[in-house]
Amino acid sequence: NAGVTQTPKFRVLKTGQSMTLLCAQDMNHEYMYWYRQDPGMGLRLIHYSVGEGTTAKGEVPDGYNVSRLKKQNFLLGLESAAPSQTSVYFCASSQTALYTFGSGTRLTVV
Amino acid sequence: SQQGEEDPQALSIQEGENATMNCSYKTSINNLQWYRQNSGRGLVHLILIRSNEREKHSGRLRVTLDTSKKSSSLLITASRAADTASYFCATGTNAGKSTFGDGTTLTVKP
Repeated sequence: NAGVTQTPKFRVLKTGQSMTLLCAQDMNHEYMYWYRQDPGMGLRLIHYSVGEGTTAKGEVPDGYNVSRLKKQNFLLGLESAAPSQTSVYFCASSQTALYTFGSGTRLTVV
Repeated sequence: SQQGEEDPQALSIQEGENATMNCSYKTSINNLQWYRQNSGRGLVHLILIRSNEREKHSGRLRVTLDTSKKSSSLLITASRAADTASYFCATGTNAGKSTFGDGTTLTVKP
């Protein structure tokens, strides 16, 4: 069981470039989440999904889009990257209250 | 704003001592979870306590919940250097998603 897999693990973008972060889970979880974590801080929810084909905004959704076309995948898109989006991004999934997290994607926007 | 707030922000102890971290929250919850994050890694679930429970144990971990005070504490007994990490509380509600605090950074000196 791989759990939650995030790709890529590291990425450097130039301002204005776009990219997609992929999250895949093999636990058949209904719920999936994208968080960002800035240095010394906790997690802030960007977007989440309560099932295949559904998405909802979290606490800090601006500048990001998501899609959940398949139950096992949750994609996070940055259409026009900005330096303020430099952060570590974590994906998580859950079926109950217990979250399983991926190992993170470290994104730097220069 | 964060639902859960951990206290203290940082804690440094000697190996063998006990470590206590606190979490306060603002609104009614269904459950409260504690997670550990080692440097550069994703969060790992430690323990969940439901709103109708007052205390829960798991190995060297003891969690208490006081819903009247809207607070929880995590006690790690006989700490080890390997316990060095950041610890986060997360509050779960009927909405199906949890809100994370900013964490307590624990350093256990050998």
